[in-house]
Amino acid sequence: EIVLTQSPGTLSLSPGERATLSCRASQSVRSNYLAWYQQKPGQAPRLLIYGASNRATDIPDRFSGSGSGTDFTLTISRLEPEDFAVYYCQQYGSSLTFGGGTKVEIK
Amino acid sequence: HLQESGPGLVKPSETLSLTCTVSGDSFSSSGYYWGLIRQPPGKGLEWVGTVDYSGITYQSSSLKGRVTMAVDTSKSQFSLKLRSVTAADTAVYYCARLQGAGWAPFDIWGQGTMVSVSS
Repeated sequence: EIVLTQSPGTLSLSPGERATLSCRASQSVRSNYLAWYQQKPGQAPRLLIYGASNRATDIPDRFSGSGSGTDFTLTISRLEPEDFAVYYCQQYGSSLTFGGGTKVEIK
Repeated sequence: HLQESGPGLVKPSETLSLTCTVSGDSFSSSGYYWGLIRQPPGKGLEWVGTVDYSGITYQSSSLKGRVTMAVDTSKSQFSLKLRSVTAADTAVYYCARLQGAGWAPFDIWGQGTMVSVSS
């Protein structure tokens, strides 16, 4: 089973700042089948990025994904107030596993 | 749109049964798989299992064969049975659609239903 490790656990930033979230896999993710989700309190997760770098429907372009193999990154170019949430990565190249999450909180 | 329906409370060692109802025409398509994900209170997401249109299922190895999933195409529903539950199975359970057939991300989610395991 592929284990995904997300870092940092918590990211404290101000609106307008850039957020960089990391997701590292225990082995190479086939075809870069890596997705990112956003989850706000009391809500279901929302798909942001799939295939490592493809934005899902209606996702603003301030969200971008990059990486390949075992190292992946989600970047939020300028944080909006609604972006403060928990973010999860998920690989679907070999079965399905989720990372432990990164909380982006207001500094 | 997906809607979960569950028992709310299950006793230890019993079976948790949950149903997901899909509205819209995507359930009749063989181009999608359907999945269940759970989230214990205050913790992260855990994949439980996936079922395809024909009823073939895939489940997380961490659940040690306790999972049965099924589809009812006449009702546009898929279901989960989780046997021999313990307190560790207490979680919000989400139904979701996979973006395509096979292994794929989850692009549409239900609102989730809380299931507690307690005597």
